[in-house]
Amino acid sequence: QSVLTQPPSASATPGQRVTISCSGSSSNIGNNYVYWYSQLPGTAPKLLIYRDDQRPSGVPDRFSGSKSGTSASLAISGLRSEDEADYYCASWDHSLSGQVFGGGTKLTVL
Amino acid sequence: QLQLQESGPGLVKPSETLSLTCIVSGGSISRSSYYWGWIRQPPGKGLEWIGSISYSGSTYYNPSLKSRVTISVDTSNKQFSLRLNSVTAADTAVYYCARCYYGSAEFDYWGQGTLVTVSS
Repeated sequence: QSVLTQPPSASATPGQRVTISCSGSSSNIGNNYVYWYSQLPGTAPKLLIYRDDQRPSGVPDRFSGSKSGTSASLAISGLRSEDEADYYCASWDHSLSGQVFGGGTKLTVL
Repeated sequence: QLQLQESGPGLVKPSETLSLTCIVSGGSISRSSYYWGWIRQPPGKGLEWIGSISYSGSTYYNPSLKSRVTISVDTSNKQFSLRLNSVTAADTAVYYCARCYYGSAEFDYWGQGTLVTVSS
C-alpha cells in the first residue's frame, strides 16, 4: 500500500489532454514539494516535474504539474504515442523522514 | 554527465544477504548537498525508496526496511553500497541507485537498474 495514492491506469487518444492525480496528506504533499517521474518499460525512471510544477531542461512543455492542498496533478496535453508509460508521483514525508512514492499510473495512448 | 552503475549478484538465496554497489562517474560524490539513494521495484509493481547516504556517511532508511538495511559510502572509489539481510522472495526486484537530496523527493540521476532474484 503506497503512501501516495494514484489511479492505476489512465487512457486517452492522441492529441487529447490527460491528467493523473496524486493524493497524499499533510505529512507529505501538504507541506513538501511533489515530483513526477515517467518510466518506459525496461528503463529507469526519469524526472519529469520537480518542485510541484518545474520542468527539467529537455522535458516538453506539454507536461505540467500542479498542486493544491494535499493533492497534486500531472497534465499531459497534445498526447503522443511515445507518452505511453508509467507515471509516478513522489514527495518527502516528514513523519517517515524519507521519500515516498505513489503506486504509479499506467498511461495508455489509444 | 553524471553516470551511475549498479553491480552485484543477480541471484541470492533466501535468508542470505543481498549486496549491491553503485559506482558514480562523471561527477563528484562528495558535494555536501547530495545524497545517494537506493530504490527498488518488484516485477510489475511500483517504486519503493530503500534508503540514502551522504558523502560523509549520514544515512536515513525506509522505516519498513530499516532493521535489515545498511548503506555505506566509499568516497575514494566514488561508490556506495547496499546490504539487505535476511532476504525472502519478496525482496526480488530491480534495484536502482540514484542521486537525491535530503528533505526532497528529487532523484535526478539514476542507474540503469539491476535485477536481483531471491531463490534457492
